[in-house]
Amino acid sequence: RKEVEQDPGPFNVPEGATVAFNCTYSNSASQSFFWYRQDCRKEPKLLMSVYSSGNEDGRFTAQLNRASQYISLLIRDSKLSDSATYLCVVNLYPNTGNQFYFGTGTSLTVIP
Amino acid sequence: GAVVSQHPSWVICKSGTSVKIECRSLDFQATTMFWYRQFPKQSLMLMATSNEGSKATYEQGVEKDKFLINHASLTLSTLTVTSAHPEDSSFYICSTSTIQYSNQPQHFGDGTRLSIL
Repeated sequence: RKEVEQDPGPFNVPEGATVAFNCTYSNSASQSFFWYRQDCRKEPKLLMSVYSSGNEDGRFTAQLNRASQYISLLIRDSKLSDSATYLCVVNLYPNTGNQFYFGTGTSLTVIP
Repeated sequence: GAVVSQHPSWVICKSGTSVKIECRSLDFQATTMFWYRQFPKQSLMLMATSNEGSKATYEQGVEKDKFLINHASLTLSTLTVTSAHPEDSSFYICSTSTIQYSNQPQHFGDGTRLSIL
């Protein structure tokens, strides 16, 4: 079983729509969680960390459910510029040192 | 956030050439650096983890004699693709992390696009 699993999509949504991605992780000892965004032929860029109580950054909301071992990312009022691949990342630190596990990414295309 | 500089950004070489890629942490001490490879339309694949001053830990299936990693200082790690062949053409990305602070994300370099002819 993979450490981190994501629905690869693709998700094709109209501008202004709300879209949500989920990501599940297998190791209950996982300590820190992140969402990254990767544009085509570019490096991943940190979108936001995910905190236990959930957190919001503008149109983006991240949530963590430790009991069910998943994290989610909600994008409200989608913009064309949100089109990208979204990667969830899980770190087991400090239990095993720095070990980051990536999901395969969820592809989002926002349509005019 | 942390700034990571990766160089070169694009390399085109003949088959058999060795290529060195540098990854520099510009504003913090990177105790750990990660090297990834990404083929088109595929996810990032971790190749190896290097800790400053020690040998890199390679993932299964990654040849350590072909992909030489040196992490001699807290700000610089290098990946050398030795005797590169067309199948080594890929997008190579480094990232840095530090164990000084928990719950810190990785920060990625811009990536190096390697094309072997």
